[in-house]
Amino acid sequence: GDSVTQMEGPVTLSEEAFLTINCTYTATGYPSLFWYVQYPGEGLQLLLKATKADDKGSNKGFEATYRKETTSFHLEKGSVQVSDSAVYFCALSDQGGNEKLTFGTGTRLTIIP
Amino acid sequence: NAGVTQTPKFQVLKTGQSMTLQCAQDMNHNSMYWYRQDPGMGLRLIYYSASEGTTDKGEVPNGYNVSRLNKREFSLRLESAAPSQTSVYFCASTGTDPGHGYNEQFFGPGTRLTVL
Repeated sequence: GDSVTQMEGPVTLSEEAFLTINCTYTATGYPSLFWYVQYPGEGLQLLLKATKADDKGSNKGFEATYRKETTSFHLEKGSVQVSDSAVYFCALSDQGGNEKLTFGTGTRLTIIP
Repeated sequence: NAGVTQTPKFQVLKTGQSMTLQCAQDMNHNSMYWYRQDPGMGLRLIYYSASEGTTDKGEVPNGYNVSRLNKREFSLRLESAAPSQTSVYFCASTGTDPGHGYNEQFFGPGTRLTVL
């Protein structure tokens, strides 16, 4: 079945550092890929998405590129802020996005001033 | 728009008690979902409903039942709660609009359930 493996945390960085959170997937067909963010005490919010190979999703300074050859969708940000502290989830959907999501285990990110 | 709302926000049950978690969305979405979130395991799908009147099992349905009361509401019931059901429960919904590709899943704020 489908699965998502993401970098285990927690990750602690200083403000303005470069961020990478790794995500790889296993799926049949051509999945859509997502990054969700969960701030403390809240539900998940979509951060960015990519629906086909070589697409780059971007939002709020975060980027991720859909790499079919390496089955990866790594999340990056050039300069993190304290407000980026949250839990980040990589996810996939293999039914055109209207069916259930398969999530990774989440990576807790803490940014220190 | 309130988006996806869930009640209650917190609940403590004793083993064997029953309860229903309520979820409603005001975005006219067809599909709705219930997930549970446990430390180190991400979110796992319990049940989902692709449209009003239909429900299907997800990855971890045992011990739960659901009702899609109408297009807006999707409830999750624990008939006889067990400590293993201690978790944070999230409801989500998504529209179906093939002309626009993927439709974002919107999540509620969650219900934190403790079973003693």
